[in-house]
Amino acid sequence: QPVLTQPPSASASLGASVTLTCTLSSGYSNYKVDWYQQRPGKGPRFVMRVGTGGIVGSKGDGIPDRFSVLGSGLNRYLTIKNIQEEDESDYHCGADHGSGSNFVRVFGGGTKLTVL
Amino acid sequence: QVQLQESGPGLVKPSGTLSLTCAVSGGSISSSNWWSWVRQPPGKGLEWIGEIYHSGSTNYNPSLKSRVTISVDKSKNQFSLKLSSVTAADTAVYYCARFRVAGNPDAFDIWGQGTMVTVSS
Repeated sequence: QPVLTQPPSASASLGASVTLTCTLSSGYSNYKVDWYQQRPGKGPRFVMRVGTGGIVGSKGDGIPDRFSVLGSGLNRYLTIKNIQEEDESDYHCGADHGSGSNFVRVFGGGTKLTVL
Repeated sequence: QVQLQESGPGLVKPSGTLSLTCAVSGGSISSSNWWSWVRQPPGKGLEWIGEIYHSGSTNYNPSLKSRVTISVDKSKNQFSLKLSSVTAADTAVYYCARFRVAGNPDAFDIWGQGTMVTVSS
């Protein structure tokens, strides 16, 4: 099954841009990844899915246009432009693998985004 | 809109069984979705525990499969988690979540607020 690796932390100034990275383990370059935002003390919220061709399907409810994704090789990126205070959250990536008795859903370790 | 609410003991003794229930409101558990449990140890990332369809079909995380049972009660519109032989490593915030099959894309689109479970004597 794939392993998803995320840097534990990132920071950006108010109004700036930041790109968060989720890296798939070797051999899984064709996998799509889901991004989730988790504000402090809250459950996660679906942001959007990304593959090597970019966004797959629609963004989650209420996700602003400032959020975008790209995929390249083993990396899946989430970019946030014009960062706002409410963007300070943990961001998780997730993916599905296998079928039947081998089916599993996996998540990365999450990246804590601090807005300066 | 659909809402999920976890309930259950916040403290479980080591070697005991953790039992949680997720009540589904604003919609039917018999809809075409997977109903899941996900946990998050303090300061760590998310871990998928498993899921159930209203038919009773289940998928479990292989690393927890031997200790996990997820069941559904359609009459009460809720689903439940049992995790046996718990240790301190099972201390976490436990979330129930809906994996929307018919979404574009299919994804975890609704989450409960989470409930903290501590394993300690």
